[in-house]
Amino acid sequence: QSALTQPASVSGSPGQSITISCTGTSSDVGNYNLVSWYLQYPGKAPKLMIYEVTKRPSGVSTRFSGSKSGNTASLTISGLQAEDEADYYCCSYAHSSPYVFGSGTKVTVL
Amino acid sequence: EVQLVESGGGLIEPGGSLRLSCVASGLTFSDAWMSWVRQAPGKGLEYIGLIKARSDGGTTNYAGPVEGRFIISRDDPRNTLYLQMNSLKTEDTGVYYCATDDHKGGFDSWGQGTLVTVSS
Repeated sequence: QSALTQPASVSGSPGQSITISCTGTSSDVGNYNLVSWYLQYPGKAPKLMIYEVTKRPSGVSTRFSGSKSGNTASLTISGLQAEDEADYYCCSYAHSSPYVFGSGTKVTVL
Repeated sequence: EVQLVESGGGLIEPGGSLRLSCVASGLTFSDAWMSWVRQAPGKGLEYIGLIKARSDGGTTNYAGPVEGRFIISRDDPRNTLYLQMNSLKTEDTGVYYCATDDHKGGFDSWGQGTLVTVSS
């Protein structure tokens, strides 16, 4: 099972919105509404930000939102803040694995 | 609050074996589906495998690169998850995390990780 494809880096200025894409196949992202997103600071454990494509766990800012179209899922961060600078990973249920992570995206706040 | 604490990492030679532990608190461990995820130095997250709750069959599932070499097990009375790693390879080097599987395609609680280094 190959990793889901994410852009290596995305950047934006404070207050702007950015979107991170996560491209899979019809065997994972395209076939299941079980996409999740994680934020990871250097040297720290990942933190769940989005599950089931669009849902936010309790305590996660409403600035984070998820969506999906076909084989591509997306995470949008609105009102970008300095604390959003981190690595982000998507993850999808995949029948054969049963989970596969994305390659990861480094978000830089300019 | 759910807390997961991994232990057992260290330096091991290629071909060797190592067992990691993950002690859980703040949840009904026997009802939890538990997973292991690893991260090679400077690399992304990689799913290793999961074990379902005993009430759901207690079955396991593994990713291709570790199938046949790694075994996930659980001791519910001790609230402990295990990862037995055999025939270790240099590419198994990384930080190993345990995590709870929320049955909704997400891993909602994570431990702090334990570092495994496979090197001669």
